[in-house]
Amino acid sequence: DVKVTQSSRYLVKRTGEKVFLECVQDMDHENMFWYRQDPGLGLRLIYFSYDVKMKEKGDIPEGYSVSREKKERFSLILESASTNQTSMYLCASSLDRGSYEQYFGPGTRLTVT
Amino acid sequence: GENVEQHPSTLSVQEGDSAVIKCTYSDSASNYFPWYKQELGKRPQLIIDIRSNVGEKKDQRIAVTLNKTAKHFSLHITETQPEDSAVYFCAASGELGGGADGLTFGKGTHLIIQP
Repeated sequence: DVKVTQSSRYLVKRTGEKVFLECVQDMDHENMFWYRQDPGLGLRLIYFSYDVKMKEKGDIPEGYSVSREKKERFSLILESASTNQTSMYLCASSLDRGSYEQYFGPGTRLTVT
Repeated sequence: GENVEQHPSTLSVQEGDSAVIKCTYSDSASNYFPWYKQELGKRPQLIIDIRSNVGEKKDQRIAVTLNKTAKHFSLHITETQPEDSAVYFCAASGELGGGADGLTFGKGTHLIIQP
């Protein structure tokens, strides 16, 4: 079974803090994704990566950056957290360019106060 | 970019009846259309998907239909059961298609199965 894990289930940070959300997959997947999920808005793509050190902007990249130094790990960085970044953050991975199915992690519920 | 509209936002059906959820998409280049089920407090799980070269796909009580000309696709669940209660999301692949692109999701349908 594909296993996608995220470093925290719940996180509380203060406005202005730098926040790191970590995602790890153990199936040697090439592609990794970060989404945020908000009630009534569905899931929205923040950033994705199809290779180590590669990154692509999704639909809502403002206020976020990412890092992929190793194939199995994809980090989402909030440079200066704001209250409107309070959300559920979901990481996902897929095998390669020919594979469509994305496997999701359990999510990190981030609250910025 | 791609835009996916999903209806209805809430659907309540009697146990044993059928449920239909509909989605439309805007980008004619999209070529992959998955459906995810998310139970309360859990991660989204893929339940069925369809690619643009196929018009219909079935898996036991679940089916998905795709109309490329009209740019819409639908999820059909027959003989609904209590464990079908969840939020369902449709999605479409990115503009470039392929497995490396992110998905554009609809806003979700909360399916409630009444006993």
